[in-house]
Amino acid sequence: GNSVTQMEGPVTLSEEAFLTINCTYTATGYPSLFWYVQYPGEGLQLLLKATKADDKGSNKGFEATYRKETTSFHLEKGSVQVSDSAVYFCALSDRGTGANNLFFGTGTRLTVIP
Amino acid sequence: EAQVTQNPRYLITVTGKKLTVTCSQNMNHEYMSWYRQDPGLGLRQIYYSMNVEVTDKGDVPEGYKVSRKEKRNFPLILESPSPNQTSLYFCASSFHQSSTDTQYFGPGTRLTVL
Repeated sequence: GNSVTQMEGPVTLSEEAFLTINCTYTATGYPSLFWYVQYPGEGLQLLLKATKADDKGSNKGFEATYRKETTSFHLEKGSVQVSDSAVYFCALSDRGTGANNLFFGTGTRLTVIP
Repeated sequence: EAQVTQNPRYLITVTGKKLTVTCSQNMNHEYMSWYRQDPGLGLRQIYYSMNVEVTDKGDVPEGYKVSRKEKRNFPLILESPSPNQTSLYFCASSFHQSSTDTQYFGPGTRLTVL
């Protein structure tokens, strides 16, 4: 079946530190991979996505590369800011299911301190 | 402004009292979906719809109903709510059901069933 495993949180970093949040997946077909971000009290917003192997998604200084050989899609940012404090969700959508149904990881809470 | 709206945003009710959470999108999206978010579990899909009059079960459909009579609306119905349905609910939509499409999320409805 389809599943996503992501790094347990919470993660606390100082401003300007390097961020990595690990995400690995299991899929029966050919998934698209996503990172969504949820700021306090808000809904989820797409942060970045990659739709095929070796694609790199990037947005707002965040990056993730779709690695089929390791079934991973780790999120990275070189220098985090206080405003990056949020919960980050890794997700996949498997085109083999015939529908755009998202399977989410459990989320990783990031807190950035000044 | 392109958006997904949900109402109500907060609801406290009692066991067995039927309720409906509305979801509406103004982007002419074909695909709509409902998720529930619970601590430690991430988001799990309840129901989805690939177009008007086409709905199907997600991973956790028990105790819920949906309908899709118009393209823009996708209400979630709890016929007889129980305390284990206390959760944060999100509606989402995307242009098509393709797995590469980005899903846009509503702001969430926090439901408490006493």
